[in-house]
Amino acid sequence: QLQLQESGPGLVKPSETLSLTCTVSGGSISSSSYYWGWIRQPPGKGLEWIGSIYYSGSTYYNPSLKSRVTISVDTSKNQFSLKLNSVTAADTAVYYCARVIVVVLAANWYFDLWGRGTLVTVSS
Amino acid sequence: SYELTQPPSVSVSPGQTARITCSGDALPKQYAYWYQQKPGQAPVLVIYKDSERPSGIPERFSGSSSGTTVTLTISGVQAEDEADYYCQSPDSSGTQGVFGGGTKLTVL
Repeated sequence: QLQLQESGPGLVKPSETLSLTCTVSGGSISSSSYYWGWIRQPPGKGLEWIGSIYYSGSTYYNPSLKSRVTISVDTSKNQFSLKLNSVTAADTAVYYCARVIVVVLAANWYFDLWGRGTLVTVSS
Repeated sequence: SYELTQPPSVSVSPGQTARITCSGDALPKQYAYWYQQKPGQAPVLVIYKDSERPSGIPERFSGSSSGTTVTLTISGVQAEDEADYYCQSPDSSGTQGVFGGGTKLTVL
């Protein structure tokens, strides 16, 4: 069964870059059927989509974060990664990676499998 | 930017029916999805494509769509259904992912 696992530093200093990796196990990240995405959730708040990537490298980003976000994929390691630069306390959140199902013939998609999430705190 | 609107909270007694709504201008053209999130856990997909139920999700969970509003219905609510519920749907272009603000379901 496919599983996703987030990894990376739990503490990042203000103005620095947050870097997380999602490792996919039990299946190939290079499947043509899926995108792969990042979602975050500040403590006590709702979910926010950050962005999504295809194994070819094609990306979509949340416009509110686009200037600071880079999502990349490493098919040789079956991983995809998130970089968020110039972080502030407002970027403190649980960060989730997820598999994205694209609904064929519709500009529509959703998240069917999620990692357990990792808390990243921005603090000096 | 595109928004999905949910009520902040819904309360029901065990055995009753809970209905959680989600409104958005693109919903007549876009499928909606529902996720259940319990404290300290990752979200779980409970409804996809407005009304389809993933394998393993109890039959008491159902979804419907009418115009700019989609509804998650939980029939015969159980204590274990107490959770936050989020709707999600892309914008009309399909390039931007959007979540509703979430609804806290309380089982009295």
